[in-house]
Amino acid sequence: DGGITQSPKYLFRKEGQNVTLSCEQNLNHDAMYWYRQDPGQGLRLIYYSQIVNDFQKGDIAEGYSVSREKKESFPLTVTSAQKNPTAFYLCASSIGGAQYEQYFGPGTRLTVT
Amino acid sequence: QKEVEQNSGPLSVPEGAIASLNCTYSDRGSQSFFWYRQYSGKSPELIMFIYSNGDKEDGRFTAQLNKASQYVSLLIRDSQPSDSATYLCAVLGDGQNFVFGPGTRLSVLP
Repeated sequence: DGGITQSPKYLFRKEGQNVTLSCEQNLNHDAMYWYRQDPGQGLRLIYYSQIVNDFQKGDIAEGYSVSREKKESFPLTVTSAQKNPTAFYLCASSIGGAQYEQYFGPGTRLTVT
Repeated sequence: QKEVEQNSGPLSVPEGAIASLNCTYSDRGSQSFFWYRQYSGKSPELIMFIYSNGDKEDGRFTAQLNKASQYVSLLIRDSQPSDSATYLCAVLGDGQNFVFGPGTRLSVLP
């Protein structure tokens, strides 16, 4: 099956700990994205990558880091510097280019206490 | 700051009626427009995309685009209770970044 996988589905952490969210795709897509969604709100872009070994900050990159060492993988680390990390995190991928839609993984719900 | 605006709702329609969802965007250079459906607690799923002015139909869904007015809409005909969800409008500009609206919550009443 082709698609995007995110793990784990639910994640609980203590304040002050770094945590890494996994995102893998087997769609052979060039572009990958990380979004954050808070209750009742839309999606906000954290980081994106249009090619391996290259990535750019989105609108809310502070407190987050990413890597893109392989085409199929785009992990997101939520650091202790992120002031309000509890949220629903969505990974997406796209063929890339001006007309191609994004497809989303199932999401990871992170709770930090 | 590029913006996409939607009425947050909730928009309530009776079963079998037409639901009309609207979206406006600020970036005149935007090229592609997408509608996603998101059920509570789930990730968004693509239901329609449109690139050119005019209407595009797919089953019970019709997307309408007016670039001069910077307006895109989604019509859902013969609405069903299973259509109850939040509908996200997304706009893709020159920078190849998607900008999402806050979503409109649709409730179809049996």
